[in-house]
Amino acid sequence: QQQVKQSPQSLIVQKGGISIINCAYENTAFDYFPWYQQFPGKGPALLIAIRPDVSEKKEGRFTISFNKSAKQFSLHIMDSQPGDSATYFCAASRRASKLTFGTGTRLQVTL
Amino acid sequence: GAGVSQSPSNKVTEKGKDVELRCDPISGHTALYWYRQSLGQGLEFLIYFQGNSAPDKSGLPSDRFSAERTGGSVSTLTIQRTQQEDSAVYLCASSLDPLNIQYFGAGTRLSVL
Repeated sequence: QQQVKQSPQSLIVQKGGISIINCAYENTAFDYFPWYQQFPGKGPALLIAIRPDVSEKKEGRFTISFNKSAKQFSLHIMDSQPGDSATYFCAASRRASKLTFGTGTRLQVTL
Repeated sequence: GAGVSQSPSNKVTEKGKDVELRCDPISGHTALYWYRQSLGQGLEFLIYFQGNSAPDKSGLPSDRFSAERTGGSVSTLTIQRTQQEDSAVYLCASSLDPLNIQYFGAGTRLSVL
């Protein structure tokens, strides 16, 4: 059972544009929603995370928007840069224990 | 400080052989997790340790898979009688406690021929 659905599978954005990646979850017991960034040959690294008591969290160029009623959350990357080219995973967990990951989005930022 | 260290970084083995994958978590991190990353399945949870105990083994795909953690530190994931479908990147993560950020190692890429 796919508990966290992520889209799109891949994304090409021009430098300076906005990258948007969406995730939807099924388990209403989830209470922690992190986004991880992964470069080739490296492990995933935490980018930003949100808990369901807030609807938005911003850290620099990265923003998570959270819609509890729709059971959806999204990552927005403003002013996308070539260095942002990586694979992004959304995830969810209950009490920040084991993570259930989305299938990943490969982002390419072109010049 | 040092991050999560995994060894070997790459492992090629023949079908039917046993393999051991090692994880050295960040010092002082009590929680340790194993995940598997494969092309068709994405990132899947395998097992979680709190200290030396494994309260959640629900992700282990078969009884060929086992893991242990000793001294509240190093963990070893063992796969017996490897199959081609075991080919994947095995990732280890640790956190200060279960409520904290999980930090991942670079993984062990396992190829079963």
